[in-house]
Amino acid sequence: RKEVEQDPGPFNVPEGATVAFNCTYSNSASQSFFWYRQDCRKEPKLLMSVYSSGNEDGRFTAQLNRASQYISLLIRDSKLSDSATYLCVVGAYSGAGSYQLTFGKGTKLSVIP
Amino acid sequence: DAGITQSPRYKITETGRQVTLMCHQTWSHSYMFWYRQDLGHGLRLIYYSAAADITDKGEVPDGYVVSRSKTENFPLTLESATRSQTSVYFCASIGGADFTNEQFFGPGTRLTVL
Repeated sequence: RKEVEQDPGPFNVPEGATVAFNCTYSNSASQSFFWYRQDCRKEPKLLMSVYSSGNEDGRFTAQLNRASQYISLLIRDSKLSDSATYLCVVGAYSGAGSYQLTFGKGTKLSVIP
Repeated sequence: DAGITQSPRYKITETGRQVTLMCHQTWSHSYMFWYRQDLGHGLRLIYYSAAADITDKGEVPDGYVVSRSKTENFPLTLESATRSQTSVYFCASIGGADFTNEQFFGPGTRLTVL
């Protein structure tokens, strides 16, 4: 099982739609969780951290279910500018005691006029 | 300008040549990272550094060498480039040792090995 798995996508949705991305992680000792956004041929940028209680930032809502080792991102009222690849990122201590972030392969979203 | 920069942005080289990719950050962040991004693999950690003169291997370190003599610089060297090292390389940094903080990425270097 891969460490961080995401919906393969691509997701093609009309403007104004609600879209949800899912992510599962294999390391039950994971401690930090993020969603990053990556535009075509650009560097990843933090969209939001994900907290156990769930958190919201405008049209974006992130949820974490530690028991199921599952993270989600909900985007409401999709805009053309939301078109990008969304990366699920999980942080945990490795066996050697160092802390490392593991990135999912990403899910591509295209919002269509 | 403040931030994290990478050079060169684009590089074409030949198999067997040595190539060095530069990374510079102006925040004095402790932790710095090198990732490669390939289709079908996502971002994979090559090497990271907790501070000057402290480096450690990531998931895919073979064929790469790093150094960190100064906090702000973290160069990545491909000792003898191979075609499988054709990729986009991202440098990143985190302030302090709190990995719940945002990881900032440089703009990337697109490397092609012929």
